[in-house]
Amino acid sequence: GDSVTQMEGPVTLSEEAFLTINCTYTATGYPSLFWYVQYPGEGLQLLLKATKADDKGSNKGFEATYRKETTSFHLEKGSVQVSDSAVYFCALSEGSSYKLIFGSGTRLLVRP
Amino acid sequence: GAVVSQHPSRVICKSGTSVKIECRSLDFQATTMFWYRQFPKQSLMLMATSNEGSKATYEQGVEKDKFLINHASLTLSTLTVTSAHPEDSSFYICSAREFEQFFGPGTRLTVL
Repeated sequence: GDSVTQMEGPVTLSEEAFLTINCTYTATGYPSLFWYVQYPGEGLQLLLKATKADDKGSNKGFEATYRKETTSFHLEKGSVQVSDSAVYFCALSEGSSYKLIFGSGTRLLVRP
Repeated sequence: GAVVSQHPSRVICKSGTSVKIECRSLDFQATTMFWYRQFPKQSLMLMATSNEGSKATYEQGVEKDKFLINHASLTLSTLTVTSAHPEDSSFYICSAREFEQFFGPGTRLTVL
């Protein structure tokens, strides 16, 4: 079945460092891909998404490109801030069911 | 963005009792709501898809008689954990779909 694999955390960075969180997927068809963020005490929020190969999703300085050839959707940010500290989830959705399949989440801690 | 609330945020109950968790879409109508379960340091696992006015569709391996889901209106879905046992202790998250899924903040269930 479909699955999402993302790098284990926690990832600890200093402020203004470059961030990469790896995400790869397995799917039978052509899924849509998502990154969600969960700040402490809050619900998951959609950070960005891409619906087809080579699409780039971007939001709040974060980017991810849908790479069909490597089945990847890595999250990047050029300069992280303390306020980016959160748990990041990669997810996919296939077909018209709107069901989301999540990766295990990666905790990011940004130190001043 | 759209807001989804869950109540209660935390609940502690004795083994054998039933617990009801509410999920409400506060500023939009949701024809579809989803219930997830999240174990510590693990991914969100979809339990069931709930459509207003019809029976929920449960994922494979989820006991429908233990996890009763009711979606009686376009803004409210409830999850009842019947005869709860310590292994049911977990973090339960709902989401409501408008044009994308909006997530509630989650409910921490602890069964003693």
